Amino acid sequence: GAVVSQHPSRVICKSGTSVKIECRSLDFQATTMFWYRQFPKKSLMLMATSNEGSKATYEQGVEKDKFLINHASLTLSTLTVTSAHPEDSSFYICSARLAGGPSNEQFFGPGTRLTVL
Amino acid sequence: AQTVTQSQPEMSVQEAETVTLSCTYDTSENNYYLFWYKQPPSRQMILVIRQEAYKQQNATENRFSVNFQKAAKSFSLKISDSQLGDTAMYFCAFMNPLGFGNEKLTFGTGTRLTIIP
Repeated sequence: GAVVSQHPSRVICKSGTSVKIECRSLDFQATTMFWYRQFPKKSLMLMATSNEGSKATYEQGVEKDKFLINHASLTLSTLTVTSAHPEDSSFYICSARLAGGPSNEQFFGPGTRLTVL
Repeated sequence: AQTVTQSQPEMSVQEAETVTLSCTYDTSENNYYLFWYKQPPSRQMILVIRQEAYKQQNATENRFSVNFQKAAKSFSLKISDSQLGDTAMYFCAFMNPLGFGNEKLTFGTGTRLTIIP
C-alpha cells in the first residue's frame, strides 16, 4: 500500500514550452502533496506544499507563476513548468501525506527527470 | 529556520561491516521528527527510520538504528551487517509539524554510501 506514481518518468522539451507532471496516490487519499526539486548529486529542496482544494503554498524563491500547482482531487496533484528554460532541467519529486494518517508520514513518488533543450 | 547538516559527503565500507552516518540539526523547537531516507540509483526515496523527538528511546528497524542525542542535536544512523543493497545516497531529514498541511521536510545534503563486496 501507500504507492505514489509520477508521470511522465522523464521528459525532454524545447525551451519556451510548458510541461505538466502528474503525481498520483494510487491506493490512498492524500490531502497534502509536496513538490521537491533535486539537482544532480544534491539534496531535495521543497518547492511547494499542495493542499487539496486550496492554493499551493510556495517556498521562498520559487516563482508561483513559473511552477503552477493544481491539487484538484484527493489523489492527484499536477506541477506545470511554464515557459521552460534549460535552467529548469532537474529531477522533480512529489510526496503525499496520507489523509487521516500520522502527520509525520510522507510517501514519495519515483520522480520525473525534466530536460529542457 | 531549521538546518540539517551531514558532514560526510561520501563513505565506503566492506560488506558485513558496521557503518555510522552522522547528522546534526539546528532548531529552537522542542517537538519535531527526524528521519533517515535512502535514495538508491533508481532515485526512489525510501524511508529507513523515524524518530520522534519526545521519545528518549532510540528507534531501531532491523539492521538500522539511530543514536538520537537531543541536547546535542545529533541524529546518527548505524547500519549493521551492511549489505550490497545498502549502497545508496542517505539523507537525514527534519520535520517540524507546524500544523495540518504544513509538515515540511528539511533535508541534509546527503551521504553517498558504497558497500564494497
